[in-house]
Amino acid sequence: EPEVTQTPSHQVTQMGQEVILRCVPISNHLYFYWYRQILGQKVEFLVSFYNNEISEKSEIFDDQFSVERPDGSNFTLKIRSTKLEDSAMYFCASSGAPLQFFGPGTRLTVL
Amino acid sequence: DQQVKQNSPSLSVQEGRISILNCDYTNSMFDYFLWYKKYPAEGPTFLISISSIKDKNEDGRFTVFLNKSAKHLSLHIVPSQPGDSAVYFCAASQYGNKLVFGAGTILRVKS
Repeated sequence: EPEVTQTPSHQVTQMGQEVILRCVPISNHLYFYWYRQILGQKVEFLVSFYNNEISEKSEIFDDQFSVERPDGSNFTLKIRSTKLEDSAMYFCASSGAPLQFFGPGTRLTVL
Repeated sequence: DQQVKQNSPSLSVQEGRISILNCDYTNSMFDYFLWYKKYPAEGPTFLISISSIKDKNEDGRFTVFLNKSAKHLSLHIVPSQPGDSAVYFCAASQYGNKLVFGAGTILRVKS
């Protein structure tokens, strides 16, 4: 059964460093998303991506964040200068609409 | 953002009995609703969904009921099994776009 994969499973970084989180969506899906879950809080939407551009982003998704689909298979989330409050589980999802299927997540720890 | 609420943080049920998980929403523009199951350190796993044009959808042991006038949905699991023990998230979307999640309900099925 096709699934969404994410790497790495756990990323530890120093505050101010750049991180790139990677996702391989389900191959025939066209819609891609990033969500995050801070410990003890809800899963919250960050950004959606369709046809090689951002279709919607949340208030959280400020200039420090960017997404791209560099090679037609990978879908990446970059955080340019990490802050302590960026520590969370980051989930990638892909969709053939309307169902969204999630990856296992990357745990980002910012020290 | 309280558009989707799961008011019961936890639920404990005896194996073989029915589990009923509840979810309320406030945004009348939501037209698609999903239930996800999540284990610690894993991504949300899709369980079952329902469109706003329906009031019931069934898949094996799982049934979702939607009451649009009350802006309420529920997930019924019959019979409950110990392997059903997990966190259950209700999520809603408009036109298949970003998902808005509830806070989750921890279900424990006792054998």
